[in-house]
Amino acid sequence: GDSVTQMEGPVTLSEEAFLTINCTYTATGYPSLFWYVQYPGEGLQLLLKATKADDKGSNKGFEATYRKETTSFHLEKGSVQVSDSAVYFCALTSAGSNYKLTFGKGTLLTVNP
Amino acid sequence: NAGVTQTPKFQVLKTGQSMTLQCAQDMNHEYMSWYRQDPGMGLRLIHYSVGAGITDQGEVPNGYNVSRSTTEDFPLRLLSAAPSQTSVYFCASSSSGGLSYNEQFFGPGTRLTVL
Repeated sequence: GDSVTQMEGPVTLSEEAFLTINCTYTATGYPSLFWYVQYPGEGLQLLLKATKADDKGSNKGFEATYRKETTSFHLEKGSVQVSDSAVYFCALTSAGSNYKLTFGKGTLLTVNP
Repeated sequence: NAGVTQTPKFQVLKTGQSMTLQCAQDMNHEYMSWYRQDPGMGLRLIHYSVGAGITDQGEVPNGYNVSRSTTEDFPLRLLSAAPSQTSVYFCASSSSGGLSYNEQFFGPGTRLTVL
């Protein structure tokens, strides 16, 4: 079945540091890939997505590139802010199964001033 | 649009009690899903529905029932609560789109504690 593996947290960075959160996946067919973010006490919000190989999703300074050859979708940001402190989830959905997201376990990011 | 709404926001139950978590969406989405979030486990799919009158089991369905009588509502029922069901529950909805993905919109969650 489908699965997502993302780097274990927690991750603690200083403001303006570079962020990478690794994500790899296993899926049948050609999945769509996503990063969701959960701010403290809130629900999940879609951060970015990519639906085909070599697509780059981007939003709020975050980027991730769909790498089919390495089955990866790593999240990066060049300069994090305190307001980026949240839990980040990598997820996928298989073609024709829009109703079902398969999530990684989440990575807690804390950014200190 | 209110989006996806969930009630209650918090709930404490005793073992063996039953209750229903409510979920509603006003976006006319065909697909609705229930997930539970546990520390270190990410989100896991409990049940889902691809339209009114159609439901199916997800990854962790035991102990939960669902029904979908309208497009808007998708309640989750706990028949006999157990401490293992202590979790945060999220409802999500999305439109159908064939092979293309349509974003899942999440509700704010219900934090359930079973004593």
